Amino acid sequence: AQSVTQLGSHVSVSEGALVLLRCNYSSSVPPYLFWYVQYPNQGLQLLLKYTTGATLVKGINGFEAEFKKSETSFHLTKPSAHMSDAAEYFCAAEDTGGFKTIFGAGTRLFVKA
Amino acid sequence: EAQVTQNPRYLITVTGKKLTVTCSQNMNHEYMSWYRQDPGLGLRQIYYSMNVEVTDKGDVPEGYKVSRKEKRNFPLILESPSPNQTSLYFCASSFPSLQGNTEAFFGQGTRLTVV
Repeated sequence: AQSVTQLGSHVSVSEGALVLLRCNYSSSVPPYLFWYVQYPNQGLQLLLKYTTGATLVKGINGFEAEFKKSETSFHLTKPSAHMSDAAEYFCAAEDTGGFKTIFGAGTRLFVKA
Repeated sequence: EAQVTQNPRYLITVTGKKLTVTCSQNMNHEYMSWYRQDPGLGLRQIYYSMNVEVTDKGDVPEGYKVSRKEKRNFPLILESPSPNQTSLYFCASSFPSLQGNTEAFFGQGTRLTVV
């Protein structure tokens, strides 16, 4: 069965530092991959999505993620953290041809001034 | 404005008392889904629906029912709630394409407490 693993339930960075949130999926067939962000007391909103084509995907708010099939990874990065980036981030995988989406456990990002 | 609306936002109920959480979307999306969010577990899919009258179980369907009589509505029914169903619930909708589902739009969430 498909699974999504996010390494680190909490990540803390200083404002202006690089943000790196890790996500690995388990599937012999690369799924469609997503990163969502959840701000306090809100639903999830899409940051970026990989389906096919270019392996480096750019999203909103300066985030990007790189799909690496050989490593079954889809890590999320942002060159310079901002206080407003503090939130919980979820990686998700959707089986191609299906309708089941599997979410990782989430990573809470803290940004220090 | 494109949105997914869940009601109620907060609900405290007693064990065994049937309840329904409503979900409505105004984007004409075919695909709708219910999730529960628990600390350390992320979001787990309860049920999903590919279109009207077409539903299927997700990963944690026990204790829940759904129906999809109209395209815009996808209510979640707890026939006999138990304390282990205390959780934060999200409804989501999206439009399937040849490249998988498009962006999923999420409701604001329903925080359910069963005592």
